[in-house]
Amino acid sequence: GAVVSQHPSRVICKSGTSVKIECRSLDFQATTMFWYRQFPKQSLMLMATSNEGSKATYEQGVEKDKFLINHASLTLSTLTVTSAHPEDSSFYICSARRPGATDTQYFGPGTRLTVL
Amino acid sequence: QKEVEQDPGPLSVPEGAIVSLNCTYSNSAFQYFMWYRQYSRKGPELLMYTYSSGNKEDGRFTAQVDKSSKYISLFIRDSQPSDSATYLCAMSEGGYQKVTFGTGTKLQVIP
Repeated sequence: GAVVSQHPSRVICKSGTSVKIECRSLDFQATTMFWYRQFPKQSLMLMATSNEGSKATYEQGVEKDKFLINHASLTLSTLTVTSAHPEDSSFYICSARRPGATDTQYFGPGTRLTVL
Repeated sequence: QKEVEQDPGPLSVPEGAIVSLNCTYSNSAFQYFMWYRQYSRKGPELLMYTYSSGNKEDGRFTAQVDKSSKYISLFIRDSQPSDSATYLCAMSEGGYQKVTFGTGTKLQVIP
């Protein structure tokens, strides 16, 4: 299967700081990447769709000024959690859509964010 | 009513058992159906991908889609302890529409 990497795998930060998470598709070019959030024992919640070279599309209820997404190349998308607060602590997972496969997504390993 | 319903479990079975995991959905426009496996604290891994109704087999895994009943299943034969994970169903209308995930069923295969 396709390989998607995510960095860092785990981050602990103080309240008020910003955290950047990188998502890379390693063996294919992804024009579209997705950012999800997952709380314990809950399903994936789509936060935003990241399109290369254009602005991200955010889901209802997701603050675009707080969760900044940049998709500067066909293999890299970044999510920056700005002014993080303890309620932002969660498991963040990115995925990449493989060209030619309209609906299959390949997921990264996830980033566990803990805000103190 | 959620678009996709999935029993969260947990489901515990002895090693070697046949496992049946299911999802129901309400959107009749869904055409693409996926099953993902997620180990604890890891990202989901695509297991099976099917289009429209029918069966698809891959090794010990069989995916079934019954669009008339809006019901999909994943069967695991000869289950192994390494199959212990959370299984998420997912589906979409196609045409680059959003993929909707179930809440996941936690499976434990006991040696």
